[in-house]
Amino acid sequence: GIQVEQSPPDLILQEGANSTLRCNFSDSVNNLQWFHQNPWGQLINLFYIPSGTKQNGRLSATTVATERYSLLYISSSQTTDSGVYFCAADYKLSFGAGTTVTVRA
Amino acid sequence: GAVVSQHPSWVICKSGTSVKIECRSLDFQATTMFWYRQFPKQSLMLMATSNEGSKATYEQGVEKDKFLINHASLTLSTLTVTSAHPEDSSFYICSASFSPGSHTQYFGPGTRLTVL
Repeated sequence: GIQVEQSPPDLILQEGANSTLRCNFSDSVNNLQWFHQNPWGQLINLFYIPSGTKQNGRLSATTVATERYSLLYISSSQTTDSGVYFCAADYKLSFGAGTTVTVRA
Repeated sequence: GAVVSQHPSWVICKSGTSVKIECRSLDFQATTMFWYRQFPKQSLMLMATSNEGSKATYEQGVEKDKFLINHASLTLSTLTVTSAHPEDSSFYICSASFSPGSHTQYFGPGTRLTVL
């Protein structure tokens, strides 16, 4: 199956800072998604982005399918952005290990 | 829209007992539902995929006789952990999609199972 690697594993940010999370995948995919898991465990769909760029408020994502990577940008981070960010690829959603983001006030 | 619920949100049981977890799509019909397991500080691992009215398809290494999945209607799937043991303690998450080919899965809030 598809192998998904995420970096960095942990990220500590001061409120207001910007950050970039990376997701590499081992094969071409027709499905690439980003999720945010809040401290209570709920997974929230952020982006469905097999290619191209999308933006939603302070979050944006870019996937370069030919180079098998995707980036998630968080701008002007807020404490509510804390949690684990996962990318997942392929129809059966192979998940990466996640990036744990902690935003400090 | 596209809300998925799970019940119970947490459960504690004794070793050897069976536990049933329900997953419901509240405002849409879910042709396909997925069950995941997440151990502490780890990622989600797909356990099985179920289509309404069909037998579930289990991922390699998942014991189908231990983790019974029923998807009897377009809004309800159940996962029964039979003869639970402490190593089955985990966070179980379901998701649902509108159609078998849909890329979008909507996730439930998860059920935390602790087996004593």
